[in-house]
Amino acid sequence: QKEVEQNSGPLSVPEGAIASLNCTYSDRVSQSFFWYRQYSGKSPELIMSIYSNGDKEDGRFTAQLNKASQYVSLLIRDSQPSDSATYLCAVETRGGNKLTFGTGTQLKVEL
Amino acid sequence: NAGVMQNPRHLVRRRGQEARLRCSPMKGHSHVYWYRQLPEEGLKFMVYLQKENIIDESGMPKERFSAEFPKEGPSILRIQQVVRGDSAAYFCASATGNEQYFGPGTRLTVT
Repeated sequence: QKEVEQNSGPLSVPEGAIASLNCTYSDRVSQSFFWYRQYSGKSPELIMSIYSNGDKEDGRFTAQLNKASQYVSLLIRDSQPSDSATYLCAVETRGGNKLTFGTGTQLKVEL
Repeated sequence: NAGVMQNPRHLVRRRGQEARLRCSPMKGHSHVYWYRQLPEEGLKFMVYLQKENIIDESGMPKERFSAEFPKEGPSILRIQQVVRGDSAAYFCASATGNEQYFGPGTRLTVT
């Protein structure tokens, strides 16, 4: 079992729709969770962090965390073509600060 | 993430040569993380350093790879006797609290 799993996609949504990206992780003691956006040929850009169960909203983005189910998700409301990118889920593993990444979900927002 | 600097941005080496990748963290940060992204794969943690000290090198290949972060100057990731399989994007990150911000990366091509 991979430590952090994501559906590779591509996930295609029409412009203006809600995009839902999902991630599961295997290490129950993980405490910190992050979503990064990566455009092709560019570096990962942090868009959300979440540490507690529940929802965290920031503009059009909402991160959701369920530690009992070992599940974290990212919702993007009013999707725009500029949101088309690969979204990486990252989990801070035990032992201090290093991040374990999923392989990413490619999102395509279509006009 | 604009504060993390990496150079060179692109590096071409022939098999058997040495590659040196440099990273300067955000101003005031004294810790850096190195990650590698192989084509079509996720980001993989390599090493975590603070000034003059390696904190965690659990992701570093045992041979040919080394890293340092001297008291003065940037952190350096050194790859000796490069092979084609070393071709990848190498990213450096520095952290504010738990949140890691990535530099633009060095894209290494081994011919």
